This record gives sequence, structure tokens and C-alpha cells, in this order.
Amino acid sequence: AQSVTQLGSHVSVSEGALVLLRCNYSSSVPPYLFWYVQYPNQGLQLLLKYTSAATLVKGINGFEAEFKKSETSFHLTKPSAHMSDAAEYFCAVTSGGATNKLIFGTGTLLAVQP
Amino acid sequence: GAVVSQHPSWVICKSGTSVKIECRSLDFQATTMFWYRQFPKQSLMLMATSNEGSKATYEQGVEKDKFLINHASLTLSTLTVTSAHPEDSSFYICSAMGQIGEAFFGQGTRLTVV
Repeated sequence: AQSVTQLGSHVSVSEGALVLLRCNYSSSVPPYLFWYVQYPNQGLQLLLKYTSAATLVKGINGFEAEFKKSETSFHLTKPSAHMSDAAEYFCAVTSGGATNKLIFGTGTLLAVQP
Repeated sequence: GAVVSQHPSWVICKSGTSVKIECRSLDFQATTMFWYRQFPKQSLMLMATSNEGSKATYEQGVEKDKFLINHASLTLSTLTVTSAHPEDSSFYICSAMGQIGEAFFGQGTRLTVV
């Protein structure tokens, strides 16, 4: 069985500050891990993905995440927050393949203060 | 990245009527698509797995007769909410899986039953 835990349902940062959104996973098989972003009344957009290659993954909009097996973590970071980063962020895990379900975390709402 | 188109973006219907939502993969074939429901400020709840040419697989607690899923081709899955009631009002999102398990999402459909 697989699961994802996102610590912090709300995170608030100042514009220009570091963004850190936490995600821990549980998986009995090697996981594939993803971060998605959702803007109000829209679908989810893929930010980045880990699929057993490099442990430091770079995504769109300046985001990156590091897969740490020893900590079962896949935290999302961005060095400098922008107002346009304000959105809901979801971490997700799957065991891979085109027919396997994605298991989502509960989401973290990121607010960026001017 | 791959594109998934969902239509309509929003719909208002009267209680007791049925509503059909379409999900299309525009530039790739998807043997499997997924339908999610999202309540305000919550994560995505998987409703069912839509399999091309066969019956959908529903998650526990999801009424098969209320949420009819058809996946008649490799690029189209439909969700029909039958005899809709106000409690069915929600944001419905579809996704299609890529080759390594990453999900490409539609824009979502805001359903309001009055």
C-alpha cells in the first residue's frame, strides 16, 4: 500500500522568501513521486516528478524537490517565492505504469505575502 | 506535455436531470483514465478508473448507477451524473496516465445542481 502525508495544510511566506512544502511517503515498492499545483477552479498541473533517476529533480517555475529514501521524503522547494506561486500544492505517489492509481496527499495551500 | 481536455468547464442543472462530462486526451492515447471529485479546500477523491473497452472500476462507496462511466475510445471517457441532486454539486476532474505513471489532468468541471 502507498500513502502520502503533507505536513501543513497552510503555508504562508513573504515574497522573495524560501518556499518549503513537506511531503512524506509510504510505499512497499519503489515509488514514483510527483508534485502538482492547482489554481482555483482549474485542474492540476505537473510541477515535477521523480521516477528513480536523479534524486534532485528540477521542475517548472523554479521549483525543485529532493527524493530522500532514508527519510521517505520528497519536499518541494523554491528559493524565492513569487506572488504567482500562491496556489494549492499536492504531492502524489504511484508505483508507476499507465494503469496505476495516483495517491494524493491532502494538499498544502501556499499564500505569498507582499 | 500531454494535453487532456475536459468539457464543460462548468454546468448548472436542475435537480433530477442528468449531466454528461467529457474527458479527451488530445495528443496521446489513454487506455486508462481516472475520475476524481474534489470538495472545497480538500484533496482529490478518486471515484473510478475508466478502462477503454471494458467496465469502469469504482472505488468503495461510489455509486455505480449514479456515476456512469463510458470509455468508448482510446481518447474519450465520459462521466454521466444521473438524477443529479444538490449534494452532487462538486468539482469533477479527469486524468489520463502517461507511460511512467504521471497523470495529465483536465481543467475540471464545476457542477452545480439547483
